Amino acid sequence: QSALTQPASVSGSPGQSVTISCAGTSSDVGGYFYVSWYQHHPGKAPRLIIFESRHRPSGVSNRFSASKSASTASLTISGLQADDEADYYCSSYRSTRTSVVFGGGTKLTVL
Amino acid sequence: EVQLVESGGDSVQPGGSLRLSCVASGFTFDDYWMTWVRQAPGKGLEWVANIKEDGDETYYVDSVKGRFTISRDNAKKSMYLQMSNLRVEDTAVYYCASGRIYFDNWGKGTTVTVSS
Repeated sequence: QSALTQPASVSGSPGQSVTISCAGTSSDVGGYFYVSWYQHHPGKAPRLIIFESRHRPSGVSNRFSASKSASTASLTISGLQADDEADYYCSSYRSTRTSVVFGGGTKLTVL
Repeated sequence: EVQLVESGGDSVQPGGSLRLSCVASGFTFDDYWMTWVRQAPGKGLEWVANIKEDGDETYYVDSVKGRFTISRDNAKKSMYLQMSNLRVEDTAVYYCASGRIYFDNWGKGTTVTVSS
């Protein structure tokens, strides 16, 4: 089962904005609004930051925003902070095999 | 406070078996689908399996079908992953998470190492 496609790395300076893309197919990202995004600091538990393509859970900063167009989803982090440096993963419901598929992950470096 | 605590990870030889456990607290366990996600060394997250609230439906990633079995005991607020015929490529940190399509709570993971 192929993963969703994310850039391996992105970087930005404090205060800037970065966008991470997540490309899928009509069987997953393109077919549903069930795209989620997770922040993962190595050695810690992953943290849900976006669900159903654009909704933030309670307690997640509004510096995190997301959208979806056709089969590509995007996560934008504005006002970059040092603590944003982490791995970011997208995921989507996939109708084939009734499962969930993750992206390969994107390492965000705050310069 | 919501907590998910995994246990049972260990080092085993190829072909061996392990049973992972996940104990939940701080939320109504039997209202939620539950999921196992793993992360191999240096790799990304991979969805492994999930189970419906009442245990009547289960789904698996192709690579573990026929080898892994997910189950739950709502009375004990626990979920399990019985892993058999383990392969080197099953080496990973295994996370327990609540939810079916998106995962709003995660444990800290338990490490499974398969090596000869």
